[in-house]
Amino acid sequence: DIQMTQSPSTLSASVGDRVTITCRASQSIVSWLAWYQQKPGKAPNLLINRASSLESGVPSRFSGSGSGTEFTLTISSLQPDDFATYYCQQYKTIPYIFGQGTKLEVK
Amino acid sequence: EVQLVESGGDLVQPGGSLRLSCAASGFTFSRYWMTWVRQAPGKGLEWVANIKQDGSEKYYVDSVKGRFTISRDNAKNSLYLQMNSLRAEDTAVYYCARDFVSEVGALDKWGQGALVTVSS
Repeated sequence: DIQMTQSPSTLSASVGDRVTITCRASQSIVSWLAWYQQKPGKAPNLLINRASSLESGVPSRFSGSGSGTEFTLTISSLQPDDFATYYCQQYKTIPYIFGQGTKLEVK
Repeated sequence: EVQLVESGGDLVQPGGSLRLSCAASGFTFSRYWMTWVRQAPGKGLEWVANIKQDGSEKYYVDSVKGRFTISRDNAKNSLYLQMNSLRAEDTAVYYCARDFVSEVGALDKWGQGALVTVSS
């Protein structure tokens, strides 16, 4: 199975900060990577697919980059609504494993 | 509006069985791969199984192979997960999700989840 490792596990930041979350795959997944946001008690919400393609309706302050084994999710200027847990997911090879998550909390 | 509504979650004893359902509306169900994802209490997301549009292909994570069966009824716009030989570690919220139409694996719509608790 392809393993996905996110870092950091927890990130403390303030409104207006630029933040970056990293996701590393144990082998190349080309660009078959998605990013999701999940708030407590809610289902995840797709933000980005194919590593860098922003889902319709997702604010442009979110961006994704990378290919192969290293990927990043960047939020250019944190807004209050962005404090949540973020997951990456590879969908190159079944099982389509998720990263362990990064909790973005208020500093 | 796309909607996915799970049902069937319950408290079940170890070794027992349960069937989850997911009712889909607001899109042409038969055109999409569909997926089940679970989340144990306080834990991360785990991909469980998916199924092709016509049901001809089904894939599972190793931990549920031989115990869980994914199926669908396109006439009823419904997705199912039959869970047998349940274990304590199967306790989780189970989400039904729709695969991105052009990229199987990325999940663009999710249900609200159904809680399955396996305990004596």
